[in-house]
Amino acid sequence: GAGVSQSPRYKVAKRGQDVALRCDPISGHVSLFWYQQALGQGPEFLTYFQNEAQLDKSGLPSDRFFAERPEGSVSTLKIQRTQQEDSAVYLCASSSEAGGHHNEQFFGPGTRLTVL
Amino acid sequence: SQELEQSPQSLIVQEGKNLTINCTSSKTLYGLYWYKQKYGEGLIFLMMLQKGGEEKSHEKITAKLDEKKQQSSLHITASQPSHAGIYLCGAVPGAGSYQLTFGKGTKLSVIP
Repeated sequence: GAGVSQSPRYKVAKRGQDVALRCDPISGHVSLFWYQQALGQGPEFLTYFQNEAQLDKSGLPSDRFFAERPEGSVSTLKIQRTQQEDSAVYLCASSSEAGGHHNEQFFGPGTRLTVL
Repeated sequence: SQELEQSPQSLIVQEGKNLTINCTSSKTLYGLYWYKQKYGEGLIFLMMLQKGGEEKSHEKITAKLDEKKQQSSLHITASQPSHAGIYLCGAVPGAGSYQLTFGKGTKLSVIP
C-alpha cells in the first residue's frame, strides 16, 4: 500500500475485555514501532520490531500488553483484560532500514481505543 | 531519560501572521524531528535536524537546531489555515537509537 494502515480505526471495549489492534506497515519496511498516545500528550514508545524479531519491548506498560510480527510484515498489538487507563490512541510506524535515528518513521492513522 | 518541553502549548494566529514554536530538551539533542498531527490522523514528518546547528526549510516552514541551548524552533511564515494542527517535536538520545521521545505538542489554530 501507499502508507501505513491500521485497523480498526476506533475500538470501544468494556473493562476486562481483550483487544487486538492491527498494523500493516509499508511493504518492505524492516522496522516497525508501536506508540501509545494519551489525550493531550505526545506519543510514547511501546515496542520495536526488526523484521519478525521484537528487539525492544521496554515501553510496554504491563504484561497485559503483547505484540507480535510473526512474518515480518503485519503486526498485532494485543491488550488483555483492558483497563480504563489503557484508553489512548495506538500508533504504528514503520521505516525502511533497521534501527538508527536517520531513518524516517512513517506513521499510520492510529487506533483510538476507549475502555468503558 | 530525555524530556522535551514545547512552548507554547497552544497558539491562535490570524492568517498571514508569522509564528514560532519552541522545543527544549533536558539533554543534548542528537537527532531532532518535527512532526505535524491532525485530529484523527497519524503523524506527518516535516523535518529532521542533526546535531551541529542545522537549519532546514520546506515551503513556509523553517526549523533550526541550537545545540548549545538544547533547543529547536519551528518558524512558520505567512501562516495559512492549512498549517493548523498539532506540532510535535521528537528526539533520539544518540546515534543508532530509534526510540523517539516526543514533546506534548503545540496546538496551532489559524483564523482566516
